[in-house]
Amino acid sequence: DGGITQSPKYLFRKEGQNVTLSCEQNLNHDAMYWYRQDPGQGLRLIYYSQIVNDFQKGDIAEGYSVSREKKESFPLTVTSAQKNPTAFYLCASSSGGPNSPLHFGNGTRLTVT
Amino acid sequence: QKEVEQNSGPLSVPEGAIASLNCTYSDRGSQSFFWYRQYSGKSPELIMSIYSNGDKEDGRFTAQLNKASQYVSLLIRDSQPSDSATYLCGLKGAGGYGGSQGNLIFGKGTKLSVKP
Repeated sequence: DGGITQSPKYLFRKEGQNVTLSCEQNLNHDAMYWYRQDPGQGLRLIYYSQIVNDFQKGDIAEGYSVSREKKESFPLTVTSAQKNPTAFYLCASSSGGPNSPLHFGNGTRLTVT
Repeated sequence: QKEVEQNSGPLSVPEGAIASLNCTYSDRGSQSFFWYRQYSGKSPELIMSIYSNGDKEDGRFTAQLNKASQYVSLLIRDSQPSDSATYLCGLKGAGGYGGSQGNLIFGKGTKLSVKP
C-alpha cells in the first residue's frame, strides 16, 4: 500500500543535540511538507519542497533544516538553535496543484530535555 | 497574512444528533478547502474536500462552502462516539505550484465530543 512513513514514532534528545526526523513516501508525490503541532495549536508549516533539490522556508523555519535529494525522501533536522523543539512533527505529501489534499504520515513526537 | 478561524470548542453533542463545525477565512483568493479529522495523539486524516460554492455530501458528512461570506462548514449527521476528535479546517490559495500561496494552511481545530 502507498503511504508516508515517518520514523521514529517517539524520539528523546538532550538539549543542545541535533536530531533528524525521517520521512519517506511511495505515493510518487512531487510535493512534501513538514508541519509542527503543539498542544491546542493548529499545524504550522516549517519547510516545503515542490520538487527534488529544491525547498522553501515555511512560517517557522528558524532552527530547522531539510534536504530533498530524492523524490521519496524529505528528512527534517531539528538543530540546537531551535528554542522549543518539543512538539509533534508531521510530514505530508501531495501531488501538487490547488485541489490536491495533503496526505500525512503518522508523526514523530519529539521530546527534548 | 491568511487566517483560518475555528471555534476551539469543545463542541458537545448527543449521539445521533447533527454536529455542525464552522470555519471562516480571510483570504478571498482561497480556492480549495479541506476538512481533516484528528484523533488524540494521531495524525490528521482527510474527510472532505470542497472547491465550489454549495454542498457536497459523502455518507454522513456534508461540507458547505460559501465563498462570498468566506466560510466553510462540516455537518456530521447521526453523530457517533467514534466521531469524537478534533476537526481541522484547511485551505489553499490560488498559487498552486510555487510559493507559499499554494500551501495548505490550517485553523487550530474544533474539538468535538459525542456523548453516548
